Amino acid sequence: NAGVTQTPKFRVLKTGQSMTLLCAQDMNHEYMYWYRQDPGMGLRLIHYSVGEGTTAKGEVPDGYNVSRLKKQNFLLGLESAAPSQTSVYFCASKQNDEKLFFGSGTQLSVL
Amino acid sequence: GENVEQHPSTLSVQEGDSAVIKCTYSDSASNYFPWYKQELGKRPQLIIDIRSNVGEKKDQRIAVTLNKTAKHFSLHITETQPEDSAVYFCAASPMGNQFYFGTGTSLTVIP
Repeated sequence: NAGVTQTPKFRVLKTGQSMTLLCAQDMNHEYMYWYRQDPGMGLRLIHYSVGEGTTAKGEVPDGYNVSRLKKQNFLLGLESAAPSQTSVYFCASKQNDEKLFFGSGTQLSVL
Repeated sequence: GENVEQHPSTLSVQEGDSAVIKCTYSDSASNYFPWYKQELGKRPQLIIDIRSNVGEKKDQRIAVTLNKTAKHFSLHITETQPEDSAVYFCAASPMGNQFYFGTGTSLTVIP
């Protein structure tokens, strides 16, 4: 069991570039989440999914899009990256017992 | 939406002393309260959780207390050790789908 796997681990973008972060889980979890972590601000929810084919907005969704075409994968897209999107991004998943499992994070810098 | 406040933001204790971190929440519908520990450069990991039908839960040196009336919950770590040094996050979940995190407490245990 790999758990929750995020790729890539590090990325540097220029302002205006686009990219996709991939989250994969092998625990057959229904729920998947994307968070961003910034110093002094904790973990803030970007988007989440309660099952294959569903997505919903979280606290800070602007500038991001997501897709959940397969149950095991949850993709986070940045269409036109901005310096304000420099952050550490964590994916997480859970089943109905409410215990969140996190991936190892993606450190993104937008110059 | 739910608002979780966490205090203090930094905490230093001598090895062997106790550490207490406090969180308040705003949504009376919140019924699940997990605590996560994040070591430097690592993913957050669940250390203990409590549901709203329980007032206290203990796991070895770690305990969590919940006061539903006052809408606050606390993490207690006894006999602290250097390996307890990390950032701790509290969270509240009002519907089981979303988790709202506090801003984190950086705990340093001084040998």
